[in-house]
Amino acid sequence: EAGVAQSPRYKIIEKRQSVAFWCNPISGHATLYWYQQILGQGPKLLIQFQNNGVVDDSQLPKDRFSAERLKGVDSTLKIQPAKLEDSAVYLCASSFRQDRSDTIYFGEGSWLTVV
Amino acid sequence: AQSVAQPEDQVNVAEGNPLTVKCTYSVSGNPYLFWYVQYPNRGLQFLLKYITGDNLVKGSYGFEAEFNKSQTSFHLKKPSALVSDSALYFCAVRAPGSGYSTLTFGKGTMLLVS
Repeated sequence: EAGVAQSPRYKIIEKRQSVAFWCNPISGHATLYWYQQILGQGPKLLIQFQNNGVVDDSQLPKDRFSAERLKGVDSTLKIQPAKLEDSAVYLCASSFRQDRSDTIYFGEGSWLTVV
Repeated sequence: AQSVAQPEDQVNVAEGNPLTVKCTYSVSGNPYLFWYVQYPNRGLQFLLKYITGDNLVKGSYGFEAEFNKSQTSFHLKKPSALVSDSALYFCAVRAPGSGYSTLTFGKGTMLLVS
């Protein structure tokens, strides 16, 4: 079974530039998550989708971050304009349902460096 | 609010010795608990989870974890450590019940096996 696919794996941009990350979840998984992992910290949820609807985006900095999940499958996370503190790993994850006992499976991550 | 504490930033173990990575949690009700491992430049890999039932949960790569409700702990263990077990380990918790609930992670513990 294919896992969660993410691209690009690595990106270096200058501050104030924009960047977009793409995610394809495990086939059949209705719930999709974007997490931000800053060096030395645990992952922090940015946004959660159930099919193509947003369940939780309370920790998404909406002045610069946006995310969409068109057609309830692939998702894109965009940052514009980027700040130095956005340097982090952006992890996409998916689960079969939104049930609290469901296992969440993570992709390899997109590593962003803002200089 | 739910939270997870991983009191050790780093654990050092000799190969062949047993290992323990500690995790304590705070949540209302009986929690759902998870362990993930992260190898260098990789994403998080699921190891095991406790939902209900037997307090000793067995997972991937020979790891197991013991749920202790009275001590609100969910320590990760392995009887004999391998050098290849060296990685960053995350404990995570989710509150029980229906409806939406986020998965909250600890800050991680680096395991070094030499």
